[in-house]
Amino acid sequence: AQKITQTQPGMFVQEKEAVTLDCTYDTSDPSYGLFWYKQPSSGEMIFLIYQGSYDQQNATEGRYSLNFQKARKSANLVISASQLGDSAMYFCAMTESSASKIIFGSGTRLSIRP
Amino acid sequence: NAGVTQTPKFQVLKTGQSMTLQCAQDMNHEYMSWYRQDPGMGLRLIHYSVGAGITDQGEVPNGYNVSRSTTEDFPLRLLSAAPSQTSVYFCASRRNRDPQPYEQYFGPGTRLTVT
Repeated sequence: AQKITQTQPGMFVQEKEAVTLDCTYDTSDPSYGLFWYKQPSSGEMIFLIYQGSYDQQNATEGRYSLNFQKARKSANLVISASQLGDSAMYFCAMTESSASKIIFGSGTRLSIRP
Repeated sequence: NAGVTQTPKFQVLKTGQSMTLQCAQDMNHEYMSWYRQDPGMGLRLIHYSVGAGITDQGEVPNGYNVSRSTTEDFPLRLLSAAPSQTSVYFCASRRNRDPQPYEQYFGPGTRLTVT
């Protein structure tokens, strides 16, 4: 069965520093996808980045990159040059090709200090 | 293209009442899902559907029913509301492209309070 774990309930980071949010997963399906979502205080879910299990390179989207280490089953989100607007909850999620559902981790609350 | 829409945005129910949360998408997505998010927690999957006429249970299905008569609509029914169902409910949809699944789009959420 698929499982997603986020072990950092909260993090504080100084503005302009890089930050890494941890995510580990477990699955027996060789074909799967990993997602990161941002949820600001307004409540909407904002898609950030996607990594497929067969993708050869780590996914990047602007200041977001996904550090995908398949052997370690980790999919950490890296935010470069953090900004005050990055303060939010961040959720890691995954889906397997053999299952339609997407499940979420418990989230990490990121707070950026000016 | 409205994306994923949910109604109502807010709802207050008394214990034992029933209601239906509406969800619709105009992107012709095969997959639709319902999640609940309790305060300070992640999203938990209630039910999902891979296409019209097909539904399945997620992590926390008890107390909820779903149906999928069309590709566009995926309503969630609370059969007999309980205070434990106080939560924010998100509907989501996505397309499928083998062999890799793709991005899931979320509705704005319905904030439900059961007294």
